[in-house]
Amino acid sequence: GAVVSQHPSRVICKSGTSVKIECRSLDFQATTMFWYRQFPKQSLMLMATSNEGSKATYEQGVEKDKFLINHASLTLSTLTVTSAHPEDSSFYICSAVAALAGNTIYFGEGSWLTVV
Amino acid sequence: GEDVEQSLFLSVREGDSSVINCTYTDSSSTYLYWYKQEPGAGLQLLTYIFSNMDMKQDQRLTVLLNKKDKHLSLRIADTQTGDSAIYFCAEGGGGFKTIFGAGTRLFVKA
Repeated sequence: GAVVSQHPSRVICKSGTSVKIECRSLDFQATTMFWYRQFPKQSLMLMATSNEGSKATYEQGVEKDKFLINHASLTLSTLTVTSAHPEDSSFYICSAVAALAGNTIYFGEGSWLTVV
Repeated sequence: GEDVEQSLFLSVREGDSSVINCTYTDSSSTYLYWYKQEPGAGLQLLTYIFSNMDMKQDQRLTVLLNKKDKHLSLRIADTQTGDSAIYFCAEGGGGFKTIFGAGTRLFVKA
């Protein structure tokens, strides 16, 4: 079946550096992908909608200059956390819409980011 | 706006049934999901139900949907210690966004 892959699954980075998380739809094309964030012991919160070939749509309160989203192809969206700080440590998860499969939404397994 | 609510904690004894409840607000939701998240792990899709269904059963899992009351429940039969996790209810539909509840922590006592 359709699979959404996220990479890396776990990453540790130093404060002030940037880290990129990839979200790939492995056997289907996705014009729309979503990025979520989960703080410890809290629910998932939608960060932004990633649209292939256009700018991402960010939810209120999410800094677009800090969380750069690039959806350059129909199978890949990337989230770059710029100038990371310890408070950015979180679980980031993406989902992709399989338009040719009845708009079924598939989730990646998520990426754990720790900023030290 | 769209909202999904669920109780935060549930404790059951091993072998008993667990019932996790959820309410949602968006009547246009097409899909309703149950996800499981174990500590330090990613989300695992347990099951989902289309909004035009009342019930779905999958082995030990039974999902009941009351569309009139916008109420969704997940029943886990013969709960095991390995079922201890956080269970997220989620609704999807308008614009394909999936809105998650805060998650219910299931504690299974041996």
